[in-house]
Amino acid sequence: DIQMTQSPSSLSASVGDRVTITCQASQDISNHLNWYQQKPGKAPKLMIYDASNLETGVPSRFSGGGSGTDFTFTIYSLQPEDFATYYCQEYHNLPPITFGGGTKVELK
Amino acid sequence: QLQLQESGPGLVKPPETLSLTCSVSGDSIKSNSHYWGWIRQPPGKGLEWIGISYYSGSTYYKPSLKSRVTISVDTSKNQFSLRLRSVTAADTAVYYCARLRYSDSRYAPGLFDYWGQGTLVTVSS
Repeated sequence: DIQMTQSPSSLSASVGDRVTITCQASQDISNHLNWYQQKPGKAPKLMIYDASNLETGVPSRFSGGGSGTDFTFTIYSLQPEDFATYYCQEYHNLPPITFGGGTKVELK
Repeated sequence: QLQLQESGPGLVKPPETLSLTCSVSGDSIKSNSHYWGWIRQPPGKGLEWIGISYYSGSTYYKPSLKSRVTISVDTSKNQFSLRLRSVTAADTAVYYCARLRYSDSRYAPGLFDYWGQGTLVTVSS
C-alpha cells in the first residue's frame, strides 16, 4: 500500500502568514492527490484536487502543487477561518485510498 | 443541493455487527459519475478510508477490513449502507458517508466532494 507522510503534524501561525504543508508519497502517484480541510466537529471539505486544482467555491488564497511523490499545500495570507486540520489523500492504486496523518494549523 | 445523512445505533457491543445507513437527497444514487463510500475517524485521530461502492454493486474495500466489511446500495431508497462485523473497541469512531467523483482525467473515483455530518459509534459492552 502507498504510505502518505504529512508534515508538520502541527504548526502555529498568525493571521496574514503564509503557511505551507507537505505530503510525501511512498511511491509515484502522479497527480492523484487531494487536500481537505476539517474543522472541529465537522466533516472534511475538499479544497484542492488532482494536486493543484482549486475546488469550486474555495478561495484563491489556497493553492496546491507537486507531482510524483512530493506535494505542497499553501495558504497565502492565513485568515481566521483557516485555522483547522488539513489532510492529504491519494487515490493512485485504488484500493485502498490513503489519507495523510493531518496537519493542525493553530493560532500563534 | 446534495445532502448525505448517516443513521444507526450509537452504541454497539463487541463482537456484534455495526450497521449504518446513509440517506442521499438532492442526487440520484444511480449516477453514473459517482461512487459512494465510508470513512471513519477515531476520537482525536486521523481519517481512515473503509470502502466505496458503485450503484451497480461494484465495491472496493480497505484490505485490512475486507473480511469484516460490506457496503451495499439500495437504489429504491436512494441509500447505501455499511456493515462491519465482529467489532472491537478499536472500531470506535465517527463514521462519515461521502460521495466520490472522478478526477477530471476520469482516472479513478478518488475525490470525496460531499460528506455527511458524521455519526459517533462507540463499541463497548
